[in-house]
Amino acid sequence: EIVLTQSPATLSLSPGERATLSCRASQSVSSYLAWYQQKPGQAPRLLIYDASNRATGIPARFSGSGSGTDFTLTISSLEPEDFAVYYCQQRSNWPQITFGPGTKVDIK
Amino acid sequence: QVQLVESGGGLVKPGGSLRLSCAASGFTFSDYYMSWIRQAPGKGLEWVSYISSSGSTIYYADSVKGRFTISRDNAKNSLYLQMNSLRAEDTAVYYCAREDGDYGYWGQGTLVTVSS
Repeated sequence: EIVLTQSPATLSLSPGERATLSCRASQSVSSYLAWYQQKPGQAPRLLIYDASNRATGIPARFSGSGSGTDFTLTISSLEPEDFAVYYCQQRSNWPQITFGPGTKVDIK
Repeated sequence: QVQLVESGGGLVKPGGSLRLSCAASGFTFSDYYMSWIRQAPGKGLEWVSYISSSGSTIYYADSVKGRFTISRDNAKNSLYLQMNSLRAEDTAVYYCAREDGDYGYWGQGTLVTVSS
C-alpha cells in the first residue's frame, strides 16, 4: 500500500496569505496525485488532478506541483471560503487508491 | 448536471446488515466505473470498493473484503453496497463517486452507524 503523509496537520493563516501544503508518498506515484478540498458536512471537491491540472471551475489561485514522491498544493492568496481540510490522493496503483490524512487550513 | 444521491444509511447493531444505494443522473451511468468511499467521523477518507461499467470487474479494500458486496443496475442508473457482518469500525459516512481516474463527482453521503 502506498502511504501518503501530509504536512502540516494544521495551518493557521489569515485571509490574503499564501498557503503551502505538502504531500509525500512512501514510493513514487509519478504524477498520479490529486488534491481535494472538504468543508464541514460536505463531500470532498476535486481541485487538482495529475499533480498540476486544475479541475473544471477551480480558481487560478489554486496550483499544484511535484512528481514522484513530493507534491505541493499552493493557494496564492487565501479567500474566506478556502478555510477547509485538504486531502491528497494517489491513483498510481489503482484501484488500491489511498488518501492522505489531511491538512486543516484554519483562520489565524 | 451530474448528480449522485446516496440512501440507505442508518443505525445497525454489530453483526447486522445494511444495503446502501446510489442513484445517478445527468450522465450515461453505464459508461462509467463507480466507487464507494467512506469517512469515519472526524477522520480521513478511505476507498472501499470499485466496480467497472459492466459490473464484470470488482475490487475491495482489505478492510471490507468478504463482508461487503458492490453491485450496479445500469437499467436503473443505480449503484449498491451490501454490507454484512458490520463492525463498529465500519461507522462512517459512505459516499458514492464517479471514477474518472480521480473523483470529480461525489454524492452527499449517507451515514452508517454501527452500535449496540
